[in-house]
Amino acid sequence: ILNVEQSPQSLHVQEGDSTNFTCSFPSSNFYALHWYRWETAKSPEALFVMTLNGDEKKKGRISATLNTKEGYSYLYIKGSQPEDSATYLCARNTGNQFYFGTGTSLTVIP
Amino acid sequence: NAGVTQTPKFQVLKTGQSMTLQCAQDMNHEYMSWYRQDPGMGLRLIHYSVGAGITDQGEVPNGYNVSRSTTEDFPLRLLSAAPSQTSVYFCASRPTTGAAAPGYTFGSGTRLTVV
Repeated sequence: ILNVEQSPQSLHVQEGDSTNFTCSFPSSNFYALHWYRWETAKSPEALFVMTLNGDEKKKGRISATLNTKEGYSYLYIKGSQPEDSATYLCARNTGNQFYFGTGTSLTVIP
Repeated sequence: NAGVTQTPKFQVLKTGQSMTLQCAQDMNHEYMSWYRQDPGMGLRLIHYSVGAGITDQGEVPNGYNVSRSTTEDFPLRLLSAAPSQTSVYFCASRPTTGAAAPGYTFGSGTRLTVV
């Protein structure tokens, strides 16, 4: 099973709230997991590449954790701002191929 | 530094027509790929290349051809367009296929409609 599942599908939060989303993937033969941020009318932009169980990556107010044994990754946004509104994609990298989830659409209400 | 350049941005084709979507990158990336984006579905890999002269099929390769004669260019050819190929197409590149290599740099996308 190669499916990557993301939840929730969409999320509305108030400015200043912290939030998190989940990416689930098959735990066998793990290679790498990617997170991307995709703003409307733009192209996806790479956030994190995660390779090791227990990895934690951070970029400003956004951070991500990885559990390869149970097959999930969390993306956290602390103190959401309107400019964080975007779709957040995760993708399972199996070496030469990538399998993307359908994304979590985040709307931050001012 | 232009990154990944895709052309055209929009295209309307009639069923049965052929066309080539162009993709070029100026970052000396080894790995290049083509994806399609359809409503309710994640980005799906069409074809990819790990270097000049090497291409392989992704998840949804039928109806498409690719070639990689140079490191910079990776065109996608639609041989005989079908309405099912109406989609948004993205070209993307990475430095290498290594697990820890940076994530993709995406092009701006091509919105293709087949009537």
